[in-house]
Parts: sequence; C-alpha cells; structure tokens
Amino acid sequence: AAGVIQSPRHLIKEKRETATLKCYPIPRHDTVYWYQQGPGQDPQFLISFYEKMQSDKGSIPDRFSAQQFSDYHSELNMSSLELGDSALYFCASSPRDRVGEKLFFGSGTQLSVL
Amino acid sequence: GENVEQHPSTLSVQEGDSAVIKCTYSDSASNYFPWYKQELGKGPQLIIDIRSNVGEKKDQRIAVTLNKTAKHFSLHITETQPEDSAVYFCAASIGGGGADGLTFGKGTHLIIQP
Repeated sequence: AAGVIQSPRHLIKEKRETATLKCYPIPRHDTVYWYQQGPGQDPQFLISFYEKMQSDKGSIPDRFSAQQFSDYHSELNMSSLELGDSALYFCASSPRDRVGEKLFFGSGTQLSVL
Repeated sequence: GENVEQHPSTLSVQEGDSAVIKCTYSDSASNYFPWYKQELGKGPQLIIDIRSNVGEKKDQRIAVTLNKTAKHFSLHITETQPEDSAVYFCAASIGGGGADGLTFGKGTHLIIQP
C-alpha cells in the first residue's frame, strides 16, 4: 500500500540558511499535518492543511511557513535556521472521511543545522 | 491547550507477559485518542484508536480502555513478543471535523525481555 512520502530523507544546513521539506500524502488523503520531533522527545504539532487551506496551527515558529498545493502535496519552508531547529520532521496525512483522525506518518526528514 | 501525561516512561516486561501504559488528558473537549508505536528511525505507526463514545476497543493482542469521567485511557498489550519492543505514544485531539493537531504524551519505551 502507498505510504506518505517525504523528501529529502536527510538534510544538512548551516545556521541562517533556508530549507524546504516536501511531503506527498497517501492518494485520496487531502489532509496534511507537519510535526517536529527532537531527540528523545514526543512529536510536536506544527501546522495542518485541509483541502489546501490552513486548518490548525500549533507551535510553528514565524520563521517557518507551509502550504498545500493543488495536487495535495505540501512543503514546509524554514528560514533563518537555528541550531535548535535540528530535529526529525514528520508529515502525516489522513483520509477524507476521517479528517483529524487516522493519521499516517511518513518516515521523516532528519534536519541537522550546523 | 491540551496536556497529555503518560506513564511509565520505561517499561520492561518478560516475553509473554502483559504490558499496560496509562495516559491522562486535561481537555474535556478531547474526543479522539490514538496510540502510536515508533521504532528507531521510523515514523509513528497508528496501532489502535478510540473515540470518546466507546469505553473499550480490542484488536487481537492490543486493547485500549477509556474512562471519560476520569480523563484517563490505557493501552494493554497481552502475550508480548520481542517485536513489540518500541516507543509507544498516546495522543489526544478534538477529532471529527477539523484537521486538529494531536497532542502527544512523552512516550513509553517498552522493552520485552526474552
């Protein structure tokens, strides 16, 4: 079965650089969520999109922005990167009939800021 | 906002024994409670979920119970096997409608001793 696809798998950046993370949801899933997970921590909700509109917002820094495109894929844009942004970033999607439930997570993007 | 507390942080059981992980939540409006299993280097995987209109749900060796009055829910794994070793997260959200973010507990590292 198709899963949530995230790219890149690993990303290394310098402080103050920018990064773009991509997420391709499961086919026929039109809801996308972004989470940040530090080492040994629980996933922290950043932002979500439903039908290409921002739906809910969590602890996403102002330096980060995200959007969902017409084909339902989503991108997380991160600017002015800081050392503390180093983390695993997960994207998840949920089915049309279970919006807000049944989240399926991708394998994540490991971001390292040096 | 919602706060989810999870105990214990580490749980070691003998293979074949049962394991129980407990969570409490603070927001009485929360009505969706999933459990996720996360293996090293992978994204969280949904293993079971329950809505607030149900008190108990079972899927083979895994069961979840919910006490809405006490704002408490638990994960029960019977006949544990080595492949059950992982980090387990409980979560809560106001599900059913909007793409609300999940609030996760801090996680339980389950170790199955052979």
